[in-house]
This record gives sequence, C-alpha cells and structure tokens, in this order.
Amino acid sequence: DQQVKQNSPSLSVQEGRISILNCDYTNSMFDYFLWYKKYPAEGPTFLISISSIKDKNEDGRFTVFLNKSAKHLSLHIVPSQPGDSAVYFCAEGGADGLTFGKGTHLIIQP
Amino acid sequence: GAGVSQSPRYKVAKRGQDVALRCDPISGHVSLFWYQQALGQGPEFLTYFQNEAQLDKSGLPSDRFFAERPEGSVSTLKIQRTQQEDSAVYLCASSPSDIYGYTFGSGTRLTVV
Repeated sequence: DQQVKQNSPSLSVQEGRISILNCDYTNSMFDYFLWYKKYPAEGPTFLISISSIKDKNEDGRFTVFLNKSAKHLSLHIVPSQPGDSAVYFCAEGGADGLTFGKGTHLIIQP
Repeated sequence: GAGVSQSPRYKVAKRGQDVALRCDPISGHVSLFWYQQALGQGPEFLTYFQNEAQLDKSGLPSDRFFAERPEGSVSTLKIQRTQQEDSAVYLCASSPSDIYGYTFGSGTRLTVV
C-alpha cells in the first residue's frame, strides 16, 4: 500500500493562475514533508519543505500547506509560469531516506 | 563538479548481463542514496550509505542487486543477471546528512532487452 499518494497524474493550468498540487500520506511518523520538481532527463530538484510541527511554509511563489488531521499536503504555485511545467513529487522522510509519491505532471498553458 | 554525477547516462543490457552504475556524490557529503524510478512512478528507495557504511539496504529488490561505497565517496550499484523488470532510471542522491540537502544526479536509464 502506498505511503504517499498523489492521485492526480496530471494537471493543466493557465499561465498566471494558481496551481494546486495535492498529496495524501498514511504514515504520521515522519518529521518532514518535501516537494521536488523534475524536468525530463534530469534528477529531481528540491523545491520546498515543511516540518510536521508547522501548517504552512512559504517561499516566493510557492506555498506548502500541511493538514495533519487529514494527513494531507498541498503545494500552491501562484502565479503559475511556463517554466513551472514539470513533474512534481511529494515526499516524506528524514535524513536517512525519502518516500515519494508517483508524481503529478503539471502543464502550464499560455 | 558541483553536482552529483552519474555514469553512464544510458545503458542497454541484454537479459542476463551484469551491469555496474556509478555515482560521484558532492564532495564532503556524508550520506548517499540510491533510488529506482520505473516509468510513471516516483523514485523508490533502494539503499543508503553513511560514509562507507551501508546503513539500510531494505529497498534492494533481490540479491541480484548489490551496492558499495568502499571509501565513503564514489558508489557503485551492481545488478547481476539483469532481467527486463530491472529496466528503470536509477537515481543517486547525496546529502550532508541534512533533510534539506538532498541533491540528485540526472540518473542512469537502464534498458534490459
């Protein structure tokens, strides 16, 4: 059974609008939740993270929200830009390894 | 270099052949991880080193998979008697033992024919 679930394989958003990517998890043990961004033929790159003791973390256009009671994580990108088109992975874990979701392919349309 | 370097970028192996995948982590990074990413899936944890010590190999799918990091820097992932289900991108990541410090390489795409 998947510990980290991203139920939307793809998401299409118009440029300038808000992109909302969702993630559900089952294991409450981990201290950190992270979002990674991946372009084709490249490795994942770290985007933003949140500690389990917080419910929101913001970095420029990117905000991550954590709802611990619902075991739900979301990434908001506003405004969305063409360069945001990529696959986004939600991950949970610690310094000894991460568990990833299957990813959501975000497509920003002009 | 400044990043994690993996070689080869692409590898085609005949079923039954042995392969060796190399990872050069960022200099000074204590932790090194191998992940396997199948098509349409997220990266899945294979194994973890802290310096030369392999602390967790619970993700290795079978005893055909073997990883080493003898001097605490470069690591090699070896797959013996490759099978078609081994086809995937193998990602290496290193970290200074900091949750925020994971840096991934571009991966090796292995295709077993």
